[in-house]
Amino acid sequence: DVKVTQSSRYLVKRTGEKVFLECVQDMDHENMFWYRQDPGLGLRLIYFSYDVKMKEKGDIPEGYSVSREKKERFSLILESASTNQTSMYLCASSFVGNYGYTFGSGTRLTVV
Amino acid sequence: KQEVTQIPAALSVPEGENLVLNCSFTDSAIYNLQWFRQDPGKGLTSLLLIQSSQREQTSGRLNASLDKSSGRSTLYIAASQPGDSATYLCAVSRGIGGSQGNLIFGKGTKLSVKP
Repeated sequence: DVKVTQSSRYLVKRTGEKVFLECVQDMDHENMFWYRQDPGLGLRLIYFSYDVKMKEKGDIPEGYSVSREKKERFSLILESASTNQTSMYLCASSFVGNYGYTFGSGTRLTVV
Repeated sequence: KQEVTQIPAALSVPEGENLVLNCSFTDSAIYNLQWFRQDPGKGLTSLLLIQSSQREQTSGRLNASLDKSSGRSTLYIAASQPGDSATYLCAVSRGIGGSQGNLIFGKGTKLSVKP
């Protein structure tokens, strides 16, 4: 069964901490994405990558960075966590042209 | 700037009813359109993908149609079941690669099917 795996289902972190969210896909997808989802705001794209070591800013990159050292792994980094980064974070991957678009189960992050 | 709208935001129907979910987009220059399903607290699952050159796609009890010129898509669910209860999201892309290929999502329609 094809899969996008996010390392944590729930996380609680303190303000100012550096937070790493890991995402691994086993489908040999070229594209990988990080979204956050908030009530009333819908899904918003943070960063995306369409090749190893490539990264592009999405709609809301401020306060975040990413790393893609291997094709199957895409990490989201919150450099200094703040309470307004409390959210559901969703990783996704796809082939070029958005075929096989697959989401992970999400990480619910709470920053206190 | 492309905007995707889904109306209504919520819908409640009795089991067995056929129903239609609506999606509209402001820029007809799309590459493809996808319908996703999201269960509470979970990630999204892709249901159907329609290329801009296609008019519809079918999978089981689901049928998605696309009218690019009018900027509309519909998702038809036949003989609805309580297990269909979820939020359904529509998303479009402008092109095939790079930022052009990124999906722009609507906010979804929350469907509740009552036994």
